[in-house]
Order: sequence, then structure tokens, then C-alpha cells
Amino acid sequence: GAVVSQHPSRVICKSGTSVKIECRSLDFQATTMFWYRQFPKKSLMLMATSNEGSKATYEQGVEKDKFLINHASLTLSTLTVTSAHPEDSSFYICSAPAPVGPYNEQFFGPGTRLTVL
Amino acid sequence: SQKIEQNSEALNIQEGKTATLTCNYTNYSPAYLQWYRQDPGRGPVFLLLIRENEKEKRKERLKVTFDTTLKQSLFHITASQPADSATYLCALSYSGTYKYIFGTGTRLKVLA
Repeated sequence: GAVVSQHPSRVICKSGTSVKIECRSLDFQATTMFWYRQFPKKSLMLMATSNEGSKATYEQGVEKDKFLINHASLTLSTLTVTSAHPEDSSFYICSAPAPVGPYNEQFFGPGTRLTVL
Repeated sequence: SQKIEQNSEALNIQEGKTATLTCNYTNYSPAYLQWYRQDPGRGPVFLLLIRENEKEKRKERLKVTFDTTLKQSLFHITASQPADSATYLCALSYSGTYKYIFGTGTRLKVLA
């Protein structure tokens, strides 16, 4: 099946710094990717839809200036957590829809564990 | 807004038994319902998709049913094995969008 990678897998940073997380579709093109965050023992919460060549669409309650998304190419989307604070500590996961047909399975990346001190 | 509830936070069953997980939703029925497996510290992995006009789907030891009258999907794992222990998530999507809404998940533990 299709593979989605994320980098880094873990990051620890100081409060106030910015952190960039990359999401790549390795063997297929993805004009759309999704970014989720997940708290311990909680479900995935959709943060935003990343669109290649246009602005990301953010879910209600997600700060656009806080979580910057750039879909630079058909295989790469980046999420930058700006001026990170301890409450931003979470598990961030990206996904991309299967390349064949709409509404099929989504391929998820392995996730990035962000810890803000 | 749409709410999705999965039967219990945790479910323990004996090896060899059939595990049955439920996914209930409110409001209008989705066009697509999917089930995913998630292991600790990892991203979810797709298992099965069922469409609103389908009643049942099977894949090896897995079976999914979809009842739009009850607004419920059931996910069965037959002949369960300890390796099936994981968190299982259901996800709903609607026509015209790629977006999925995820349930809170059920943590399944299969006891040897």
C-alpha cells in the first residue's frame, strides 16, 4: 500500500520556539493531506486540510497563525507550530487519501510526538 | 454537530473468542464508514471501508456491518489473537468531502 512518512518522529523544544513537521507521500501524489492532533487516550482531532497550490483549510477553533501549513509540492506538506507552548504538546499525525478513487482509505504517517518544555 | 461513540473505552476478551466493537453516531448517516487500527505511538492503519448502501463487508477474520436505521456499525474480529490487541477507531465521512470524523476508539486486549 501507499506510504506516508513524517519527520521528525519526536521533538522536544523550549517554550517560544517554532517547530516544523514534515509529511511526505512516498510513492504517490497527494494534492490533499490532513493534519490531526491526538491527546493521550483520545481520538484524532482534525486540525486542517492541506491543499497543494492553495491555502489550507482550518477547522473551527484552530489558530491559523499558530499552526502554519504549507503544501509545497504534490508529495510534501509541512506543519509549523509557531511560538510553541506546553499546551501544544501532543501527537501530530498527517494523512493522505488513497490515490485511486475518492473517499477510500486514508494513509497515515507514523506521527510526531511534540513535547514543549 | 456529529457525535461518534464507540462502545467502551476498553474491552478484554479471551483468545479465540469473537471481539465485537460498536460505533454509534448521531445526526445523518455518512456516505462512508471506515475502521482503523492504531497501535501505541503509531498512526492509524486502515482496515475496512463500508458504504451507506452496504450492509456487511468482510476481510479475512474481520467483518463490519452498517445499519443506517440504528445509526450503528459493528466491527467483529473472529478467532481473536493477542496480536489483535490495539485501539480500534471508526471514522465517518460524507459525500463531497475527503474529511473524516473519528470516534474515540476502543482499546481491545486479547488475553492469551
